Amino acid sequence: DTGVSQNPRHKITKRGQNVTFRCDPISEHNRLYWYRQTLGQGPEFLTYFQNEAQLEKSRLLSDRFSAERPKGSFSTLEIQRTEQGDSAMYLCASSPAPLGYTDTQYFGPGTRLTVL
Amino acid sequence: EDQVTQSPEALRLQEGESSSLNCSYTVSGLRGLFWYRQDPGKGPEFLFTLYSAGEEKEKERLKATLTKKESFLHITAPKPEDSATYLCAVQARGGANSKLTFGKGITLSVRP
Repeated sequence: DTGVSQNPRHKITKRGQNVTFRCDPISEHNRLYWYRQTLGQGPEFLTYFQNEAQLEKSRLLSDRFSAERPKGSFSTLEIQRTEQGDSAMYLCASSPAPLGYTDTQYFGPGTRLTVL
Repeated sequence: EDQVTQSPEALRLQEGESSSLNCSYTVSGLRGLFWYRQDPGKGPEFLFTLYSAGEEKEKERLKATLTKKESFLHITAPKPEDSATYLCAVQARGGANSKLTFGKGITLSVRP
């Protein structure tokens, strides 16, 4: 299967702990996106990368959230000092488009985070 | 700010009963409108991209259309396996703007 992969698929943590999620995009896709989805809502944009450069961050992304994409390949999303409000599905997507073009984003299966 | 509103929130159909799902949007210059299907506990699955008013795309029992303010996803003779949440999203023109703005989705249930 050559789709977007995410690990872990599920994460349960206690409030105040740090968590890290990994996303592996479709091979040679130069754009990578992170979204967050809560029950009954559509995905909300968090941040995206063009190769290794982080080009946009949502105001939803507090200082406790950090994302990286070293070498323009896989990406990690870290949440520090988790809060119960961070419980959600974290979705990663990738697309092949160069900057400025309409692109189709292909989503991974998501990581379900539960903060107790 | 870009906005997407989908209606109805939920739709229950009998197998074979055709219907349409609505997506209304406001965006500062449309680059693309996207339809996705999402099954419970899974990531969204891409269905269609529409770029300009008047455009139509089809795939099996689904047909997506676009006007300057709305998009419709028409489902012809649905089957129980079409049951899912259907998400609409827009991408705005301009600079490095690449994010998708999603609606809340429409949950479709098709009874055999």
